Amino acid sequence: QQPVQSPQAVILREGEDAVINCSSSKALYSVHWYRQKHGEAPVFLMILLKGGEQKGHDKISASFNEKKQQSSLYLTASQLSYSGTYFCGTNNNAGNMLTFGGGTRLMVKP
Amino acid sequence: KAGVTQTPRYLIKTRGQQVTLSCSPISGHRSVSWYQQTPGQGLQFLFEYFSETQRNKGNFPGRFSGRQFSNSRSEMNVSTLELGDSALYLCASSLSTSGGYNEQFFGPGTRLTVL
Repeated sequence: QQPVQSPQAVILREGEDAVINCSSSKALYSVHWYRQKHGEAPVFLMILLKGGEQKGHDKISASFNEKKQQSSLYLTASQLSYSGTYFCGTNNNAGNMLTFGGGTRLMVKP
Repeated sequence: KAGVTQTPRYLIKTRGQQVTLSCSPISGHRSVSWYQQTPGQGLQFLFEYFSETQRNKGNFPGRFSGRQFSNSRSEMNVSTLELGDSALYLCASSLSTSGGYNEQFFGPGTRLTVL
């Protein structure tokens, strides 16, 4: 079963903040976050691992609540380049298989 | 370091035909995963190969198959194409052995259109 992302879409002005949530019904080993721009491949943003380790870009932060199987991606002081569709992908230690959420469309306007 | 490459980038086929897509992972990456992306179903996992062995398989019919070679290059095959197979097929490679410990690097994808 795929994780549930919320909101499905959000529109921001440059400089505003946003939070994207990802919730799974299964116990998770890791949560990945990717951004995909139209016509391009998904690009890696963050990994959050069971146990608290995180890896990713300095300008993006995220959290992982292992007990609730929930993760949130925090986008602060948004820039026009942040526009795109954000996907969370979850792994329950089955190889490197990722189950992706439905995506959150983010549009940043000047 | 070269990224993940996929060939061909675009394909047009007719129903009933078969198709083979190719993926070359980043040098040193032994894990290759395939995903199907459609507007209706989103990003869906097809299968993962690691050291020439299929390690995980998604919920797709047997018409979808794949393999991995000793140099980690991977191919996926779709037989008896259906209209619903029209999609962007993405390949992703990773350094990690399991647990999604490392990021997956996606290739540009192959856009398959079935007429």
